[in-house]
Amino acid sequence: GDSVTQMEGPVTLSEEAFLTINCTYTATGYPSLFWYVQYPGEGLQLLLKATKADDKGSNKGFEATYRKETTSFHLEKGSVQVSDSAVYFCALFNAGNNRKLIWGLGTSLAVNP
Amino acid sequence: DTEVTQTPKHLVMGMTNKKSLKCEQHMGHRAMYWYKQKAKKPPELMFVYSYEKLSINESVPSRFSPECPNSSLLNLHLHALQPEDSALYLCASRHFGGNTEAFFGQGTRLTVV
Repeated sequence: GDSVTQMEGPVTLSEEAFLTINCTYTATGYPSLFWYVQYPGEGLQLLLKATKADDKGSNKGFEATYRKETTSFHLEKGSVQVSDSAVYFCALFNAGNNRKLIWGLGTSLAVNP
Repeated sequence: DTEVTQTPKHLVMGMTNKKSLKCEQHMGHRAMYWYKQKAKKPPELMFVYSYEKLSINESVPSRFSPECPNSSLLNLHLHALQPEDSALYLCASRHFGGNTEAFFGQGTRLTVV
């Protein structure tokens, strides 16, 4: 079945450092890919999305490109802030397969001033 | 309006109590979801409603009883819960067709004592 593999955390960075969180997937057909973020004590927020190969999703300085050849959707940000401290989840949705969101295990990010 | 509203935000209940969680959206989404989430883990799917009909039950114990009274509302009735049921309960909604994103509420933090 479909699956998402996400780099394990926790990740600890200093403010203004470069961030990469790796995400790879296995899926049949043409899934959509998402990054969700969960700040402490809150629900899940959609950070960015991509619906087809070579799409680049971007929001709040974060970017991820849907790479079908490497089955990847890595999250990047050029300069992190303390306020980016959160748990980040990579997910895919494939209407052709059970219509369920498939989640990575999540990566906890802590940014120190 | 891209909001999913959940009430209450916090709930403490005894093992013999009956309580209900509520979820509301006005985005015209015809797929609605209940998830259970433990700290820093990905959400676990519990139930899916499609066009107000229960389409997926992920073998959830009968002490959890979902209800979808109309296309905007989703309830989760709780009865005789166990301490291990303490978690964040998240509601989500999305358009039924295609591979579109899901929108999440802020969740109800449930503690069973």
